[in-house]
Amino acid sequence: AQTVTQSQPEMSVQEAETVTLSCTYDTSESNYYLFWYKQPPSRQMILVIRQEAYKQQNATENRFSVNFQKAAKSFSLKISDSQLGDTAMYFCAFILMDAGNMLTFGGGTRLMVKP
Amino acid sequence: DTGVSQNPRHKITKRGQNVTFRCDPISEHNRLYWYRQTLGQGPEFLTYFQNEAQLEKSRLLSDRFSAERPKGSFSTLEIQRTEQGDSAMYLCASIHKLTGGTEQFFGPGTRLTVL
Repeated sequence: AQTVTQSQPEMSVQEAETVTLSCTYDTSESNYYLFWYKQPPSRQMILVIRQEAYKQQNATENRFSVNFQKAAKSFSLKISDSQLGDTAMYFCAFILMDAGNMLTFGGGTRLMVKP
Repeated sequence: DTGVSQNPRHKITKRGQNVTFRCDPISEHNRLYWYRQTLGQGPEFLTYFQNEAQLEKSRLLSDRFSAERPKGSFSTLEIQRTEQGDSAMYLCASIHKLTGGTEQFFGPGTRLTVL
């Protein structure tokens, strides 16, 4: 079974600063994807960024980037130039390819961006 | 609106009553997933459909839970004889597996409160 762990229940950052959210996962499989999803207050979950396990290059999407350390099974999210709209719950998630593609989520990190 | 929709958005019921939720996925998305999210936690997988076939069910899905997707379009999730422990947000997501997509598009969820 796959597990995803987020060790930071809550974090805060000043507007325009940089923050890093941590995630570790456990699997014995090799064909998988990792994701960061954002869930704003009272709004639906949206994808922030994804990483294919077979790609060594870290994914980036504008102000969002990941540090994927496959051997350490670590997948952290860096948010640069934090904005008030980044305030949300952030979930790290895992998909085992070709096994139904159901998401396994971590417990989440609540991020507050302060003005 | 071409996103995933869920109805109702909120449901309050008394213990022992039956409830049914509906999910309308994005058009032509052939896979549909149900997740349950309790307060402050990450979503947990319940079940998924490929077209009208229910391919996997989590052990979280007790005998009181049943899900259908009769024509491969919308899906319903029914909970019989509700218990207070069923109080949660029920999320639906869809994906176009045939195009190789991995991003699951989430609906806004149905928040169930069992009194």
